Amino acid sequence: DADVTQTPRNRITKTGKRIMLECSQTKGHDRMYWYRQDPGLGLRLIYYSFDVKDINKGEISDGYSVSRQAQAKFSLSLESAIPNQTALYFCATSDAGPTNTDTQYFGPGTRLTVL
Amino acid sequence: RKEVEQDPGPFNVPEGATVAFNCTYSNSASQSFFWYRQDCRKEPKLLMSVYSSGNEDGRFTAQLNRASQYISLLIRDSKLSDSATYLCVVIQIPSNTGKLIFGQGTTLQVKP
Repeated sequence: DADVTQTPRNRITKTGKRIMLECSQTKGHDRMYWYRQDPGLGLRLIYYSFDVKDINKGEISDGYSVSRQAQAKFSLSLESAIPNQTALYFCATSDAGPTNTDTQYFGPGTRLTVL
Repeated sequence: RKEVEQDPGPFNVPEGATVAFNCTYSNSASQSFFWYRQDCRKEPKLLMSVYSSGNEDGRFTAQLNRASQYISLLIRDSKLSDSATYLCVVIQIPSNTGKLIFGQGTTLQVKP
């Protein structure tokens, strides 16, 4: 079974709709992240969380919100989706323990299309 | 100027060739450096960390040049399975914040 899972894997929605992307991990990591990937722009950080009570904005947080419901779960919401939020979204985790090497473990991605 | 820049390619090489990618970073205070590999429509996965003294893992060699602010990845004896996008990743601030900056990636196509 995959260590980091994302649901849904693909989603097509309309402008103005509320969308939630879910991420779950079984790695036991404290740190979780949401990125989006666009052609020619690489991965950009949306939000990150270092534990259940910690939420931090990333590079491009406008139009997004997150919830860290438990150590293993980190969800990303688009309150009112717009077409330029069409992208590939990745959740990732990393280990903040004493052997932390900042390696990020990514989920399989969610391809979101906003019409 | 982007914080981390890569030539997007694609680099088209025959099997068995040696190919090298460079990645430049703008912040001289950058702390840690990595190469990730991303297959088409898949998630990125860590390929290797880049150490100041350079490091090698089989056919892959990574080097860091702090004076010129670039890192490199050398792939020897290219295989068809090496075809992928290679992402340069930099941590610009102390690692206890865990924030990574990704380059846009360099695409490699290895041909038979």
